[in-house]
Amino acid sequence: DAGITQSPRHKVTETGTPVTLRCHQTENHRYMYWYRQDPGHGLRLIHYSYGVKDTDKGEVSDGYSVSRSKTEDFLLTLESATSSQTSVYFCAIRGVGTEAFFGQGTRLTVV
Amino acid sequence: GENVEQHPSTLSVQEGDSAVIKCTYSDSASNYFPWYKQELGKRPQLIIDIRSNVGEKKDQRIAVTLNKTAKHFSLHITETQPEDSAVYFCAASKGGSNTGKLIFGQGTTLQVKP
Repeated sequence: DAGITQSPRHKVTETGTPVTLRCHQTENHRYMYWYRQDPGHGLRLIHYSYGVKDTDKGEVSDGYSVSRSKTEDFLLTLESATSSQTSVYFCAIRGVGTEAFFGQGTRLTVV
Repeated sequence: GENVEQHPSTLSVQEGDSAVIKCTYSDSASNYFPWYKQELGKRPQLIIDIRSNVGEKKDQRIAVTLNKTAKHFSLHITETQPEDSAVYFCAASKGGSNTGKLIFGQGTTLQVKP
């Protein structure tokens, strides 16, 4: 599994509640990414990190925040979940000059 | 910022035929172009990648070509088989940058009919 784990794998939450998704790696890779996957839109970058405490916005960052306090963990937070954030979320990790490896994905449903 | 456009969105071929998927990118500084395959219900996985110092790369039935001047790259699958049916994504990145940002195209659903 390339040393990357996402949790939880499935989550149902109510509109307006905060939600945190976790991505954990054991590869000591520099780069970590959060993508969302929706039909017809492919993989859209939400936020990414290029080091501890170094993060930047992606294409669809509104309504999301991230934190990376340790090399191995990259957290994605939805401060107040909305139905438009129902999606499959993928975390990916990548070393310098290497390919990106994806986690198994988290299916989030906001009702 | 970088933008990657991928075409077609769906592609249906007969088994044994070739399939071609095309992508264009906007940032001329991009220098790393991977292709991922995603089977239904699974995570995307790398099938081939190319760097900007190379014009073409092959791996068995799969090949990727890159035209830096036109800023486009293509995936070629020959002798397609039913197990090639999946969603394919192209991506672009500036490999030498500090941030390692990786942007994907919208995906192509390939159906190979037996």
